[in-house]
Amino acid sequence: DTAVSQTPKYLVTQMGNDKSIKCEQNLGHDTMYWYKQDSKKFLKIMFSYNNKELIINETVPNRFSPKSPDKAHLNLHINSLELGDSAVYFCASSRANTGHQNTEAFFGQGTRLTVV
Amino acid sequence: GEDVEQSLFLSVREGDSSVINCTYTDSSSTYLYWYKQEPGAGLQLLTYIFSNMDMKQDQRLTVLLNKKDKHLSLRIADTQTGDSAIYFCAENSSASKIIFGSGTRLSIRP
Repeated sequence: DTAVSQTPKYLVTQMGNDKSIKCEQNLGHDTMYWYKQDSKKFLKIMFSYNNKELIINETVPNRFSPKSPDKAHLNLHINSLELGDSAVYFCASSRANTGHQNTEAFFGQGTRLTVV
Repeated sequence: GEDVEQSLFLSVREGDSSVINCTYTDSSSTYLYWYKQEPGAGLQLLTYIFSNMDMKQDQRLTVLLNKKDKHLSLRIADTQTGDSAIYFCAENSSASKIIFGSGTRLSIRP
């Protein structure tokens, strides 16, 4: 009965490969995010989707392509993986920010990606 | 630009109070949050404060907000070993964007 679930939890792959991480939320939220947490634990937003539409793309390389088939899912596809892509990737969801309501983000457990 | 800053490390003695500070830049943020991340886990919301409040208390947690200085703090009373974690400050800056600070790693000394 997990609110935000992402798979896989661990992903080890070779440079140059293409991989996907899936994310699903059952909270009825309109907004979903992908964050990247590096080895120093800094958490940076990568993408934000609202009702399946891309809202924010924070200067992420084109090799990263999010896809939202419906508002409960936001998958992350990464082409031509590089060593520097190694990190923990977190999916999150929240209500849409209308300026009046609490938009706390609910996080998945993270996907630890290791590129070798 | 948007930026949320916090100190990277804090060490306190067990039983003392911990105070974690944060500064943010977007004065239009309506909610500010504190999240906790334990090793190997995702982020869990600890508490939040609406921007028209200056204080919120929730059991051992006290949040103080100085909107004029864009300063947020989290006080944990009677710090326990289970409080060891990374604490992230965050703001809901503009539409569909939640910005996180760098995280403060709290360690507890016996």
